[in-house]
Amino acid sequence: GAGVSQSPSNKVTEKGKDVELRCDPISGHTALYWYRQSLGQGLEFLIYFQGNSAPDKSGLPSDRFSAERTGGSVSTLTIQRTQQEDSAVYLCASSQPLDFSTDTQYFGPGTRLTVL
Amino acid sequence: AQSVTQLGSHVSVSEGALVLLRCNYSSSVPPYLFWYVQYPNQGLQLLLKYTTGATLVKGINGFEAEFKKSETSFHLTKPSAHMSDAAEYFCAVLSNAGNMLTFGGGTRLMVKP
Repeated sequence: GAGVSQSPSNKVTEKGKDVELRCDPISGHTALYWYRQSLGQGLEFLIYFQGNSAPDKSGLPSDRFSAERTGGSVSTLTIQRTQQEDSAVYLCASSQPLDFSTDTQYFGPGTRLTVL
Repeated sequence: AQSVTQLGSHVSVSEGALVLLRCNYSSSVPPYLFWYVQYPNQGLQLLLKYTTGATLVKGINGFEAEFKKSETSFHLTKPSAHMSDAAEYFCAVLSNAGNMLTFGGGTRLMVKP
């Protein structure tokens, strides 16, 4: 079937505005991850959803960042009051772990966020 | 905490030459290791992974990697580089809880004609 999809592919916003980034995981994948890729910090984990369990938010950089996953499928990453340092590519991944130690994460194409 | 170090942010090889991209990891438990490739303006594509068993892992596009516990390494190799191999390569280790990947800083591979 289709891979992980993300929208929009590019987003330009002004400092202080809120943005929402969307991720559609591979159908049937119960685990979903958000990562951020920036020039200064490389690839960083942000948040992880697994089934109906409480999400692991340990990677979120500030309380301006939040994410939800509705119905165990689509996820939205929201950044409030955007700052220039939020400019990055936001990558979503999903997996269907046979067991937690061997699952492969499949990545979407990312959303490039530019905060002016 | 786990960490991954990729030696060399940029590697340049001639077409047909051996490709060697270095990855060293730090982990308190047996690691699960991955190599991903990223082409311009695209997401990450899995090249290969090591979980358990055979330490020499073969992946897509002719790449392979060898897990060496004694050296805490998982270097990526390809015998003969193609122009199409030009991309950025990331080594990663899966967390103990299996809920996140920790990535190295990436190595940009350039292939000269």
